[in-house]
Amino acid sequence: QVQLVESGGGVVQPGTSLRLSCVGSGFTFSKYGMHWVRQAPGKVLEWLAVISTDGMYNHYGESVKGRFTVSRDNSQNTLSLQMNSLTAEDTAMYYCARDIGGPLADWGQGTLVAVSS
Amino acid sequence: EIVVTQSPATLSVSPGERATLSCRASQSVTTNLAWYQKKPGQAPRLLIYTVSVRATGVPARFSGSGTGTEFSLTISSLQSEDVAVYYCQQYNNWPLYSFGQGTRLEIK
Repeated sequence: QVQLVESGGGVVQPGTSLRLSCVGSGFTFSKYGMHWVRQAPGKVLEWLAVISTDGMYNHYGESVKGRFTVSRDNSQNTLSLQMNSLTAEDTAMYYCARDIGGPLADWGQGTLVAVSS
Repeated sequence: EIVVTQSPATLSVSPGERATLSCRASQSVTTNLAWYQKKPGQAPRLLIYTVSVRATGVPARFSGSGTGTEFSLTISSLQSEDVAVYYCQQYNNWPLYSFGQGTRLEIK
């Protein structure tokens, strides 16, 4: 069955960087666009980024544009999110999700990022 | 940017009763709309896509309808396990996805 496992979360100080990873299994990773979505404590789901199947195309939500970079390594079935210049507003659970042509059909369990001094 | 607005913010329904959640898009998304269920401590779960297609394993009591800018998710007979926050999401403006603000569904 499809499985997505995020990792890399933790507690970091404001202004620092963090890199999240998401490993996919149970499907042909290279055939699907992949997304990152987050949910801050007590807040709603926020779409962050998408990357195309071959990694050549990506797009970002306004709140992370210029600070976050999405990438993928299809040889390792791995999706990544490089997060720079982190602020307290980036504190959230971060999810990766598989795009089946629009809908996000499968989600990981999330990795928690806390930005605090 | 397509803005998606959900109503009501909170809905209280008695067990076995019907629950209807609404979603409105700021411009037409044709049929490119999905619904997700989010429970505390769990990942979001895709329930409905293309307005009315149930995802694999979703019970038949969940149904979606609408077109253009007005959509709804209906739970025909509310069960205790349906308590969650429900989000609609448009993907017509790919790749600029947007989620609604969610409707919290409670048991009365």
